[in-house]
Amino acid sequence: ELKVEQNPLFLSMQEGKNYTIYCNYSTTSDRLYWYRQDPGKSLESLFVLLSNGAVKQEGRLMASLDTKARLSTLHITAAVHDLSATYFCAVSSGSARQLTFGSGTQLTVLP
Amino acid sequence: NAGVTQTPKFRVLKTGQSMTLLCAQDMNHEYMYWYRQDPGMGLRLIHYSVGEGTTAKGEVPDGYNVSRLKKQNFLLGLESAAPSQTSVYFCASSYGLRANTGELFFGEGSRLTVL
Repeated sequence: ELKVEQNPLFLSMQEGKNYTIYCNYSTTSDRLYWYRQDPGKSLESLFVLLSNGAVKQEGRLMASLDTKARLSTLHITAAVHDLSATYFCAVSSGSARQLTFGSGTQLTVLP
Repeated sequence: NAGVTQTPKFRVLKTGQSMTLLCAQDMNHEYMYWYRQDPGMGLRLIHYSVGEGTTAKGEVPDGYNVSRLKKQNFLLGLESAAPSQTSVYFCASSYGLRANTGELFFGEGSRLTVL
């Protein structure tokens, strides 16, 4: 059974600081996704990582994938308040490429 | 282009009542999914479908049934609602094997409360 673990689950950070969210998963997969969710809203796709060593960047967020270590990271550079949200990683498995989600990291960026 | 649409957005049920959630997508996606989201537990897969007329169980299927009679629609039914089914339900769809990314597109969610 595929398990996906994120840490930390809660993160408060000051504006302008850097931090990394970690996503570990238990079985082999070469597809990993990062989503953002604002309170009461749906999930918004941030990154799709499809191979070992994949790195993608969008604004202050950068995601990477190491399939051998079964680890993905989401790095936040110079955080701003607008980045406050819950971030989920999800790993693809099975014939229907169903996603198994981590528990989410609730990020709060403080002024 | 509406994407993935869920109805209703909110519903309150009494224990034992039944209801159906409707998910409609206009992207000609092959695969559709139903997830539930509970605090601190991320999203968990209830049922999914890889094409019209097919359904399969996910991680937490008990107490739910689904149907995919038309490609664009995926229905989630609760035959006898229980308080443990209080949750936010998300429908998602994807192109399936025809696409490289396998990316899921989500609806806005349906908040269900069972008293």
